[in-house]
Amino acid sequence: GDSVTQMEGPVTLSEEAFLTINCTYTATGYPSLFWYVQYPGEGLQLLLKATKADDKGSNKGFEATYRKETTSFHLEKGSVQVSDSAVYFCALSSGSRLTFGEGTQLTVNP
Amino acid sequence: KAGVTQTPRYLIKTRGQQVTLSCSPISGHRSVSWYQQTPGQGLQFLFEYFSETQRNKGNFPGRFSGRQFSNSRSEMNVSTLELGDSALYLCASSQGPDLTTNEKLFFGSGTQLSVL
Repeated sequence: GDSVTQMEGPVTLSEEAFLTINCTYTATGYPSLFWYVQYPGEGLQLLLKATKADDKGSNKGFEATYRKETTSFHLEKGSVQVSDSAVYFCALSSGSRLTFGEGTQLTVNP
Repeated sequence: KAGVTQTPRYLIKTRGQQVTLSCSPISGHRSVSWYQQTPGQGLQFLFEYFSETQRNKGNFPGRFSGRQFSNSRSEMNVSTLELGDSALYLCASSQGPDLTTNEKLFFGSGTQLSVL
């Protein structure tokens, strides 16, 4: 079945550092790939999405490229801020359901 | 435009009881999905409804059920509650059900259920 694997956390960075959170997937067919973010006490917010190979999703300085050859969708940001502290989830969909990774806790210190 | 609204925000129940959670999707959205979030199992898909029909179901026991009304609002019910049902239950909506297109899935803030 479908599965998503994220890099283990937690991740702690200083403000303005470069961020990479690794995500790889296993799926049949051609899934869409997503990054969601969850702030404390809240639901999930869609950060970015890509629907086909080589698509790049981007939002709020975050980027991820759909790499079919390596079955990956790594999240990157050039310069993180304290306000980026949250849990980040990679997910895929082959239809109407999302399959999520374990989540990566990011803490950004001033 | 209002987001996905879930009520209640918090619930405390005891083992053996049943509970009903409510979800109002974004106006115009016809697909509603439910997910369970726990520290141990992470985020797991429960079921998805589109136009009042359950189209997809996750791997949960029959104690978990749901329905969708003609106005797209949805409820989920858990009967004979167990301690392990303690979780954050998230509802999400989209205009259509196929997330492999340009559809986007929007989540509510969830209902935190505690079973004592």
